[in-house]
Amino acid sequence: DAKTTQPPSMDCAEGRAANLPCNHSTISGNEYVYWYRQIHSQGPQYIIHGLKNNETNEMASLIITEDRKSSTLILPHATLRDTAVYYCIVRVGNAGNNRKLIWGLGTSLAVNP
Amino acid sequence: DADVTQTPRNRITKTGKRIMLECSQTKGHDRMYWYRQDPGLGLRLIYYSFDVKDINKGEISDGYSVSRQAQAKFSLSLESAIPNQTALYFCATTHRTSGGSNEQFFGPGTRLTVL
Repeated sequence: DAKTTQPPSMDCAEGRAANLPCNHSTISGNEYVYWYRQIHSQGPQYIIHGLKNNETNEMASLIITEDRKSSTLILPHATLRDTAVYYCIVRVGNAGNNRKLIWGLGTSLAVNP
Repeated sequence: DADVTQTPRNRITKTGKRIMLECSQTKGHDRMYWYRQDPGLGLRLIYYSFDVKDINKGEISDGYSVSRQAQAKFSLSLESAIPNQTALYFCATTHRTSGGSNEQFFGPGTRLTVL
């Protein structure tokens, strides 16, 4: 079962920041939060991941609350090409064969001109 | 050229037929995965392999089998296809790391329809 809850859909104006929330209240201390996105029915694309510190890369920023029960993915200047389904995922298991990504239903983000 | 390729990209078959989906990667990764995606849903893990000859069941392995005879290739078989196996199938790869990263690289997907 998915360990994350996301709103099913969101809208964002082009050029504005898109803030996508995720709830993962049952996350364990050693479980990472990952974000992927899927454009149309293409293969999902990795965006960012984190454990407890905030993270930033060239695509996005990830803000994780201090209690780690929720996080927010921020696309600082959304473009039309950012229209996609965004998945917040918890990586479960320890090193070795138990380590897996548990996918939820995602948020369908529509960036509007 | 794509790093992770899947063949075929689309396949329509009939109930009871045996189907094989192929995945190849040029990334040199040791870990490979097969997922299925149903409309409006996230991905569900079918099987995964951490090395040649290493096979592990995922969430929904019933009705499927896999083969990992070479590091670069991971094939998924449906021994006797049934209509509820109609879905979009994705192959993914990643490399074992000692740190936290588990970035998976996905293929373009195979759309399978079982009539």
